[in-house]
Amino acid sequence: EAGVAQSPRYKIIEKRQSVAFWCNPISGHATLYWYQQILGQGPKLLIQFQNNGVVDDSQLPKDRFSAERLKGVDSTLKIQPAKLEDSAVYLCASSFNLGTEGKLFFGSGTQLSVL
Amino acid sequence: SQKIEQNSEALNIQEGKTATLTCNYTNYSPAYLQWYRQDPGRGPVFLLLIRENEKEKRKERLKVTFDTTLKQSLFHITASQPADSATYLCVLGPSGSARQLTFGSGTQLTVLP
Repeated sequence: EAGVAQSPRYKIIEKRQSVAFWCNPISGHATLYWYQQILGQGPKLLIQFQNNGVVDDSQLPKDRFSAERLKGVDSTLKIQPAKLEDSAVYLCASSFNLGTEGKLFFGSGTQLSVL
Repeated sequence: SQKIEQNSEALNIQEGKTATLTCNYTNYSPAYLQWYRQDPGRGPVFLLLIRENEKEKRKERLKVTFDTTLKQSLFHITASQPADSATYLCVLGPSGSARQLTFGSGTQLTVLP
């Protein structure tokens, strides 16, 4: 079974530039999550999708971050404009469905450096 | 406010010994708790889930306990191996105003040969 695919693996940009990350979840997984993980910290949820609808985006900085999951499969997360404090690893995860006690399958992440 | 704490220091142990990692939480009453393993440059990998009505759960060399009175979970790796070296994350299930999983910051375990 293929895992969660993410790209790119690394991205270096200057502040105020824009960047986009892509995620393809495990086939059949209805729920998709984007997490931000700052060095030395645990992942922090940015947004959760159930199929192509948003379940929770309460911690997404909506003035600069946006995400979509068209057709309920793959997803993109965008930052525009980027700030220095956005330097982090952006992890995508998926799970079979809501209410499955939250067992998540993670991709390897995109490491973003904002200079 | 809700808070989750794992071993504040990195943990170094000798190969063959039992590693014990601690997860304490306050102002939560999660229905379940999970443990994940994270290797450098990789995403977390699910290891075990324990529910609030379960005291202990085992999987091969792993054992997790969940004490809802103490608000603590212990994660044990017996007969530890250098390949067990990684960061281990404690994760609380939804509780109260925390509608999503809440991740701890992790404990970095190093098993020395």
